Amino acid sequence: KNEVEQSPQNLTAQEGEFITINCSYSVGISALHWLQQHPGGGIVSLFMLSSGKKKHGRLIATINIQEKHSSLHITASHPRDSAVYICAVRGITSGTYKYIFGTGTRLKVLA
Amino acid sequence: ETGVTQSPTHLIKTRGQQVTLRCSSQSGHNTVSWYQQALGQGPQFIFQYYREEENGRGNFPPRFSGLQFPNYSSELNVNALELDDSALYLCASSLDPRGIQETQYFGPGTRLLVL
Repeated sequence: KNEVEQSPQNLTAQEGEFITINCSYSVGISALHWLQQHPGGGIVSLFMLSSGKKKHGRLIATINIQEKHSSLHITASHPRDSAVYICAVRGITSGTYKYIFGTGTRLKVLA
Repeated sequence: ETGVTQSPTHLIKTRGQQVTLRCSSQSGHNTVSWYQQALGQGPQFIFQYYREEENGRGNFPPRFSGLQFPNYSSELNVNALELDDSALYLCASSLDPRGIQETQYFGPGTRLLVL
């Protein structure tokens, strides 16, 4: 079992729909990142969370430390939101930081 | 401020060869992390350098090695290339690996193909 699990793996939505992507992790963390990766490989950091909730434009990210769970929400989705969304946690092992990534959720938003 | 840049963008090598990938950090960032992303997978942490010292390592063999220079640019070296090393290699820079509020800035990646 992966230490960081994302669901769903693939998601197709119609433009305007509200989208939720989930991330569960099984290790102790100091922070959780939500990343966006477009075809060709470039990665953009969307959010870094250690508690609570953050909002940026149409994107909202929440984290529940006790439940080891985070969600990324996209309101009023648009075709330009089509990308792979990756959850990554930053944990500490033997005194050094280690980053563990989920396998990503491939989102396609249809016009 | 300049972003994170990587070179080359694409590279083809054969088994057994050695490769060096380069990364220039975002201005002012003293920490760089390297990741390997196989096709269809999430990135895997290779290692991190902070102020020219290795600051953490993932589950990669010693033939994966790195350097960070005084200007905080970085290299990833892979010796004795294997077919499974074919992947997108990403570097990310950040300001302080000890900080709770650390945010990483990713480069565009180098796509390596080993034949």
